Amino acid sequence: NAGVTQTPKFRVLKTGQSMTLLCAQDMNHEYMYWYRQDPGMGLRLIHYSVGEGTTAKGEVPDGYNVSRLKKQNFLLGLESAAPSQTSVYFCASSARDSQYNEQFFGPGTRLTVL
Amino acid sequence: QQQVKQSPQSLIVQKGGIPIINCAYENTAFDYFPWYQQFPGKGPALLIAIRPDVSEKKEGRFTISFNKSAKQFSLHIMDSQPGDSATYFCAARKTGANNLFFGTGTRLTVIP
Repeated sequence: NAGVTQTPKFRVLKTGQSMTLLCAQDMNHEYMYWYRQDPGMGLRLIHYSVGEGTTAKGEVPDGYNVSRLKKQNFLLGLESAAPSQTSVYFCASSARDSQYNEQFFGPGTRLTVL
Repeated sequence: QQQVKQSPQSLIVQKGGIPIINCAYENTAFDYFPWYQQFPGKGPALLIAIRPDVSEKKEGRFTISFNKSAKQFSLHIMDSQPGDSATYFCAARKTGANNLFFGTGTRLTVIP
């Protein structure tokens, strides 16, 4: 089991460019999440999904879009990158019936927007 | 607005010491309080969790103390080791939801 994987691991963008971050999980989890981690801010939820074909906004959704076309994949898109989106992005997944709602995290994607 | 307040931001202890990390919340709808551990270059991983119907939970050297009336909870690491050096995040979840609200993190360094 690979668990949660993220592609790419690193990326540098120029302001205004677009990109898509891919998250994949092989644990058959229903729920998936995208977070950003910034120094002194902790982890903040961007968007999440409770099942294939569904998405919802988290705490900081502006400037991002997501799609969950397949249960195992959750895509995070930046249509027009801004320097404020420089961050480390983490994807996570969890099972619907988990007693402790344990979220399993990927290794992260470090994004720099110049 | 930070829903879960965490302190301190960083902590340095000697090997064998007992670091304590504190978290506080206001929303009484929270019903589940996990702690996540993150090593450099890795994603966070669940360490231990507690529900508000108990005041303490122990797993190995890690203990959560929970004070429901004060809306505070803390992580204690007994006999800390250099391998415990990591960033620790507290979190909280609302009843009926799956989303977690994370604290801002505490970077722990255990000196040999």
